[in-house]
Amino acid sequence: GQNIDQPTEMTATEGAIVQINCTYQTSGFNGLFWYQQHAGEAPTFLSYNVLDGLEEKGRFSSFLSRSKGYSYLLLKELQMKDSASYLCAVRAHRTGGSYIPTFGRGTSLIVHP
Amino acid sequence: DGGITQSPKYLFRKEGQNVTLSCEQNLNHDAMYWYRQDPGQGLRLIYYSQIVNDFQKGDIAEGYSVSREKKESFPLTVTSAQKNPTAFYLCASSGGLAGTDTQYFGPGTRLTVL
Repeated sequence: GQNIDQPTEMTATEGAIVQINCTYQTSGFNGLFWYQQHAGEAPTFLSYNVLDGLEEKGRFSSFLSRSKGYSYLLLKELQMKDSASYLCAVRAHRTGGSYIPTFGRGTSLIVHP
Repeated sequence: DGGITQSPKYLFRKEGQNVTLSCEQNLNHDAMYWYRQDPGQGLRLIYYSQIVNDFQKGDIAEGYSVSREKKESFPLTVTSAQKNPTAFYLCASSGGLAGTDTQYFGPGTRLTVL
């Protein structure tokens, strides 16, 4: 099985930078995803890492270290609309040959003025 | 527009009734998935299908059933055997080899069993 751990809740100030960590334990690792989910809505894709290093996409960046089983999502220049839940999902090999992401519980980010 | 649709957005049922949730996609994706989300929880995999006429149990399949007769459609039936059916249900699809590309999600169906 897989074990994915991320903080339950974080708060930050508008305009600031926040880092949301995700640690995981798995075998057959095949990539890590970050999704954003506003309350009552579907998750939307933010980033994907399969190799070690930093992937930057506008205000959002995601980092992966496979040897440490660790990833983080970095949000810069925070805006009120960034208040949402951020889901870390690890894709790994399952019995039968499939690769299906397993999701963490999500980190609820509250951005205040 | 390409995307994934789920209907209805809100659904109410009496205890003991089976209910079927719809999921349709026009993204030409081979793989489709059903997840369940409870408050404060992550998404838990119920069933997935990587190709038409084939599907596999996920981590919490008990009390649920699916079919995949068409590439575009992957309906989920919540049976009376599911002990705690009230939840937010999300359908997703992905392309690529064996569905290894990014998953895209539908808007979800919130099921409340009274």
